[in-house]
Amino acid sequence: QVHLVQSGAEVKKPGASVKVSCKASGYTFIANYIHWVRQAPGQGLEWLAWINPKNGGTKSAQKFQDRVTTTGDTSVNIVYLELSSLRSDDTAVYFCARGGRIGEYSGRRLDYWGQGTPVTVSS
Amino acid sequence: DIQMTQSPSSLSASVGDRVTITCQASEDIANYLNWFQQQPGKAPKLLIYDASNLETGVPSRFSGGGSGTDFTFTISSLQPEDIATYYCQQYDYVPLTFGGGTKVEIK
Repeated sequence: QVHLVQSGAEVKKPGASVKVSCKASGYTFIANYIHWVRQAPGQGLEWLAWINPKNGGTKSAQKFQDRVTTTGDTSVNIVYLELSSLRSDDTAVYFCARGGRIGEYSGRRLDYWGQGTPVTVSS
Repeated sequence: DIQMTQSPSSLSASVGDRVTITCQASEDIANYLNWFQQQPGKAPKLLIYDASNLETGVPSRFSGGGSGTDFTFTISSLQPEDIATYYCQQYDYVPLTFGGGTKVEIK
């Protein structure tokens, strides 16, 4: 069965960077996009970026374009989200989610999600 | 960016009631819409994709409809385990965008 397992909680100071990992199993890793979505405390869902694990191509929201880096390692079926220049309003739970099949709409059918990684930004 | 306007933001209904949530897109997104359920402290769960397709394993009391800019999500007979927040999400354009959520409670 499909699983996405994320790295553990992080506490960072403003201005620092954080790198969150998402290990996929139970399916062909290079067959589907992986997305990153975050949720600030008590708030809704916000999309950050996707990665195509097959070719490493990425797309991110304009709002985060200067600060977000999404990478993947096909040898261990892991994708990473790195967010730099952290601010207090980056405090959120960060989720990875499996998206559409490569060649389809990337955001179609986000059907499996990681458990979430809480990131706290505080001085 | 495509704005997704979801309503109501919250509702209270009795067990067995029919519950309907609407989602309006700021531009035509054809049927490129997902619906999710999120219970407190958990990851979102996909219920509906392509606006009206029921995800495998999801009870048939959940359904979705619509196309273009106007979409609906319905729970035909509300059950206690349906207490959650529900989100629509469009995937026709990047950035993917979500509705603001509808919190469903039992009266």
